[in-house]
Amino acid sequence: EAGVAQSPRYKIIEKRQSVAFWCNPISGHATLYWYQQILGQGPKLLIQFQNNGVVDDSQLPKDRFSAERLKGVDSTLKIQPAKLEDSAVYLCASSLGQGVGYEQYFGPGTRLTVT
Amino acid sequence: AQKITQTQPGMFVQEKEAVTLDCTYDTSDQSYGLFWYKQPSSGEMIFLIYQGSYDEQNATEGRYSLNFQKARKSANLVISASQLGDSAMYFCAMRETSGSRLTFGEGTQLTVNP
Repeated sequence: EAGVAQSPRYKIIEKRQSVAFWCNPISGHATLYWYQQILGQGPKLLIQFQNNGVVDDSQLPKDRFSAERLKGVDSTLKIQPAKLEDSAVYLCASSLGQGVGYEQYFGPGTRLTVT
Repeated sequence: AQKITQTQPGMFVQEKEAVTLDCTYDTSDQSYGLFWYKQPSSGEMIFLIYQGSYDEQNATEGRYSLNFQKARKSANLVISASQLGDSAMYFCAMRETSGSRLTFGEGTQLTVNP
């Protein structure tokens, strides 16, 4: 089966510009996650969707980050305006469900550089 | 408070030898899950192994096994017969039932030497 797809793979922008990332989860996976991974650290959850509803966005900087998952399938994550500290890899993941034992499948990530 | 602690920033092992990567965790939940992921230099996170808190036996998946010591709150990953392709970053993660967020440790960079 096809894995989690993300685009673009790389993006370089200047601070104060805006950027958007796209994610297509594995078919049939109801739960979708966006993570931010700063160099040298583990991934940190930004937002979790169950179908098209938000389950957890407690760590999303809502003054500049937004995310949506229309129709419960694809998702976009937007940063507006970007700051230097937003330079990171943004990982999208999906899983069949939200339970404790459900494995998350990750996409290849988008590497964002803010100059 | 730090939920997942990986105390080894870097580990080295000779090809064909076994290696243990340490992970300790902190939770007050009785039901939780522990995961190990591998992240090669390409960046993709690859699931390796899962251990549920109520599982009585240690999880095994091929060359990977999880040494689960519940009382000590540790979930160490054991890789047997290391291969050059095992060189990567390894992350321990936990999911509690009280919130379904997956929390990752800081990772251990494993290098397998020929």
